[in-house]
Amino acid sequence: DAGVTQSPTHLIKTRGQQVTLRCSPISGHKSVSWYQQVLGQGPQFIFQYYEKEERGRGNFPDRFSARQFPNYSSELNVNALLLGDSALYLCASSLVVEGELFFGEGSRLTVL
Amino acid sequence: QQPVQSPQAVILREGEDAVINCSSSKALYSVHWYRQKHGEAPVFLMILLKGGEQKGHDKISASFNEKKQQSSLYLTASQLSYSGTYFCGTENSSNTGKLIFGQGTTLQVKP
Repeated sequence: DAGVTQSPTHLIKTRGQQVTLRCSPISGHKSVSWYQQVLGQGPQFIFQYYEKEERGRGNFPDRFSARQFPNYSSELNVNALLLGDSALYLCASSLVVEGELFFGEGSRLTVL
Repeated sequence: QQPVQSPQAVILREGEDAVINCSSSKALYSVHWYRQKHGEAPVFLMILLKGGEQKGHDKISASFNEKKQQSSLYLTASQLSYSGTYFCGTENSSNTGKLIFGQGTTLQVKP
């Protein structure tokens, strides 16, 4: 079975630009979560979606937004990029809201 | 609000044991443990739920002290493959799916 897939794997943007990251969950998983991981730190919660509804939001500015589609895939959008947005963005899927998380390999974003 | 992990780093020889601790300042509903190897995604190890339910791998055990708001991960007879960074993730209430991860504990197992 395919695991969680994310795209793109790497991308470079400049300050002020916008980025869209994509995530396909494991088949049958209805919950998708997004985390930001800065080098040397633990993942930081951004959003969780379950059955296409936002279930939770972390302490991130409104420049961060996300959505979940009817096929349970998800997109994370970040507007007006700042240098500090450079990080590994991890998507995780789970069967239920509070189940074990299955992480994708991540999208590494570099903002110049 | 971020849980505190200790120690920050540990070096072991194969076959030795290790304990990694995770402590929260808030009441906990559940504790998750994940291992991340360099350049890879975090991998699930264990969930401990309020009330004593556990779900995880056979060779790794953990405890959850709800009163002390602490969890410990026990790695016995360590193998080279145990090397990596271990994160605890805490959930403060049920059905939120919002995990707050600690800063990580780096474990290196040497032959």
